Amino acid sequence: AQTVTQSQPEMSVQEAETVTLSCTYDTSESDYYLFWYKQPPSRQMILVIRQEAYKQQNATENRFSVNFQKAAKSFSLKISDSQLGDAAMYFCAYRRRETSYDKVIFGPGTSLSVIP
Amino acid sequence: NAGVTQTPKFQVLKTGQSMTLQCAQDMNHEYMSWYRQDPGMGLRLIHYSVGAGITDQGEVPNGYNVSRSTTEDFPLRLLSAAPSQTSVYFCASSYRSQWGSNIQYFGAGTRLSVL
Repeated sequence: AQTVTQSQPEMSVQEAETVTLSCTYDTSESDYYLFWYKQPPSRQMILVIRQEAYKQQNATENRFSVNFQKAAKSFSLKISDSQLGDAAMYFCAYRRRETSYDKVIFGPGTSLSVIP
Repeated sequence: NAGVTQTPKFQVLKTGQSMTLQCAQDMNHEYMSWYRQDPGMGLRLIHYSVGAGITDQGEVPNGYNVSRSTTEDFPLRLLSAAPSQTSVYFCASSYRSQWGSNIQYFGAGTRLSVL
């Protein structure tokens, strides 16, 4: 069974600095998707970034980028120039690339604080 | 753009009471899912649906029922609430691409307390 692990329950970063959130996963599949979701205090789940396993290039969305290491089954999220609005819970998630519905497996989350 | 709408936002129940959490989406998505979120455990899948009339169990289905009579609506029913069901519940929908389900869109969540 697939699992997703986030080993950092809590992290903090100074405003304008860079922080990296870790995520590892376990799967025997070769083709899949990986996601980072952000959950601010409003509780809304917001997709931050998505990576397709068959793509070697790391995904980037503005200040958010990932370091995808397929062989190591690692998928870390880097937030550059951190802003107060980045304070939230961040969830790493995995889904197989199937032709029908397949379940998204979520990690336990990392709570990020941004210090002014 | 309504997206995924969940009601109510907050609910307090007594043990043994029943209730229905509502979820509606206006994006014509085939796939809909219910998750519960508990501290330190991320989101766990309760039930999901791949289309009207088709539902299946997720990781933690016990104590919950679902139905999908229309594409838009996917209610979650608690038959006899228990304190262990105190949680935050999220509904999500996604569209079917040629590679299966795609990005999930989440509702704002329902915070449920069972006393």
